[in-house]
Amino acid sequence: GAGVSQSPRYKVAKRGQDVALRCDPISGHVSLFWYQQALGQGPEFLTYFQNEAQLDKSGLPSDRFFAERPEGSVSTLKIQRTQQEDSAVYLCASSYPWGAGANVLTFGAGSRLTVL
Amino acid sequence: DAKTTQPNSMESNEEEPVHLPCNHSTISGTDYIHWYRQLPSQGPEYVIHGLTSNVNNRMASLAIAEDRKSSTLILHRATLRDAAVYYCIRSYGKLTFGQGTILTVHP
Repeated sequence: GAGVSQSPRYKVAKRGQDVALRCDPISGHVSLFWYQQALGQGPEFLTYFQNEAQLDKSGLPSDRFFAERPEGSVSTLKIQRTQQEDSAVYLCASSYPWGAGANVLTFGAGSRLTVL
Repeated sequence: DAKTTQPNSMESNEEEPVHLPCNHSTISGTDYIHWYRQLPSQGPEYVIHGLTSNVNNRMASLAIAEDRKSSTLILHRATLRDAAVYYCIRSYGKLTFGQGTILTVHP
């Protein structure tokens, strides 16, 4: 497609439920990033893939957060046993091979998660 | 520390130029300087990036100091649609966003 597509756009979960957020990157973009953005804050890095390899997951806040990209295209961010502090917008971004940062990221519109 | 320093907010009038400053005093020689902006309820949008030389594109200009410890994003004629949060980021591996500058444009 023309841009990065994220679904669902809005998700309301009860505390303790599991959620899955999907990201469809731009075709041909081998690098994929997930960010978390709390209200009024800048995006915070969660994890980074190059093709199907997860090269950096240092930003995942706990072992309840898990991301995968099994075929090097679509990615899913899964949050188990959601807590209220998980409420945020989850942003996905993709690019050509990231490397030294000469390329640019294209972001999706985000998935807004509200945990009650 | 991969973060940059920007003013919390700035204001401008429509059709006037806007200069958004950014300090990145600990930047290394291989870090690119990226600018993104975020409109309400949208994901960040790429604006411009550069390494050493000044850069121009259809959206903006980027002026990079000779010592690369600071840079300025220049919007030549602000419009109401330019009202957004502007993020200045060093490409220290992954992009690390700070709080950004909230730009308000007055009609």
